Amino acid sequence: ETGVTQTPRHLVMGMTNKKSLKCEQHLGHNAMYWYKQSAKKPLELMFVYNFKEQTENNSVPSRFSPECPNSSHLFLHLHTLQPEDSALYLCASSRTGANEQFFGPGTRLTVL
Amino acid sequence: GESVGLHLPTLSVQEGDNSIINCAYSNSASDYFIWYKQESGKGPQFIIDIRSNMDKRQGQRVTVLLNKTVKHLSLQIAATQPGDSAVYFCAESPSGATNKLIFGTGTLLAVQP
Repeated sequence: ETGVTQTPRHLVMGMTNKKSLKCEQHLGHNAMYWYKQSAKKPLELMFVYNFKEQTENNSVPSRFSPECPNSSHLFLHLHTLQPEDSALYLCASSRTGANEQFFGPGTRLTVL
Repeated sequence: GESVGLHLPTLSVQEGDNSIINCAYSNSASDYFIWYKQESGKGPQFIIDIRSNMDKRQGQRVTVLLNKTVKHLSLQIAATQPGDSAVYFCAESPSGATNKLIFGTGTLLAVQP
């Protein structure tokens, strides 16, 4: 276990649904990340939070809305997604200013 | 632009042999490099890292080599075991861009018994 948990592990949703992904880290880190992992493509950084403040939004469509209520929790709210959004969504955390990131197991998302 | 790539998408080795996974990077300003292992159904797991002021670093059964002249990174796994079967990613961090990792596409290592 890496100390980073994600729920749910699998999610199937229609294009008109609203759902949320949850990430929690038990490592005392202050930076948290959302990545998208699609088949045969590099991990794509979506959002970065440092001390609950968003410090990077990597041109992510507005149908993805992150929320970071505290340094231990990170959410990704999903609304009117497209089938091409189907992917593995990974959460990670790190100490602020550190390079090594610790990943959760991911949520496998399928958009019908 | 920045890119991190892997020479071989799939590497098949016999159990007990040594494995070498290669990675090319294009940003000469990167000063930190890291290898992750991702098993099926799991998130990436840290293996080993290296800073640009080093050219070699060893861990338990793994060694990372960094050649800044040709912008090349490699991961060597000694005495490869079936449990080493996974996708391996390299990532780079540009100098001054803490909290930012740029990942390659990954190499699938298949260990044959």
